[in-house]
Amino acid sequence: DTGVSQDPRHKITKRGQNVTFRCDPISEHNRLYWYRQTLGQGPEFLTYFQNEAQLEKSRLLSDRFSAERPKGSFSTLEIQRTEQGDSAMYLCASSWSETGETQYFGPGTRLLVL
Amino acid sequence: GQQLNQSPQSMFIQEGEDVSMNCTSSSIFNTWLWYKQDPGEGPVLLIALYKAGELTSNGRLTAQFGITRKDSFLNISASIPSDVGIYFCAGLDYKLSFGAGTTVTVRA
Repeated sequence: DTGVSQDPRHKITKRGQNVTFRCDPISEHNRLYWYRQTLGQGPEFLTYFQNEAQLEKSRLLSDRFSAERPKGSFSTLEIQRTEQGDSAMYLCASSWSETGETQYFGPGTRLLVL
Repeated sequence: GQQLNQSPQSMFIQEGEDVSMNCTSSSIFNTWLWYKQDPGEGPVLLIALYKAGELTSNGRLTAQFGITRKDSFLNISASIPSDVGIYFCAGLDYKLSFGAGTTVTVRA
């Protein structure tokens, strides 16, 4: 399967712990996006990369959120000092900037903060 | 917050019926996308629209990109049980801005 993959699919953590999620994009895609989705809503944009450059990060929800894509392939999203309000589905998507930027999503990581 | 308004919020449909849902925006988008999401999964791309006025089909799905570039509709013909799910419209300007979704439930 050459689609977008995310790991883990589910994460349960206690408030105050740090968590890290990984996304592997479609291999030929140069853009990678992170979104967050809460119950009953559509996904909400957080940040994106073109190759290893992070081009937009002002939508990250707080300074507890950070993302990296060090080699321009996979990406990680870290949440430090988790809060109950961080409970959500975190989605990754990828696209190829030369073909209309249509974005394809991974299966998501469901985070529950207790 | 969400810039796009989807309607209806939910619908119950009879198997075999045609259904329609739409999406409006306060902003212009140059690309509109329709996705379907099953519980616990990521959104799956159904149709992409790149040109104002464009009408595009994908099997039993038909979508149109409004001429003002501020709206789009999606039609599903001859609905079947696997059409159950949440349908999202999204406008693209490097990032996707989503509506809140239309939940479709099919009565067998």
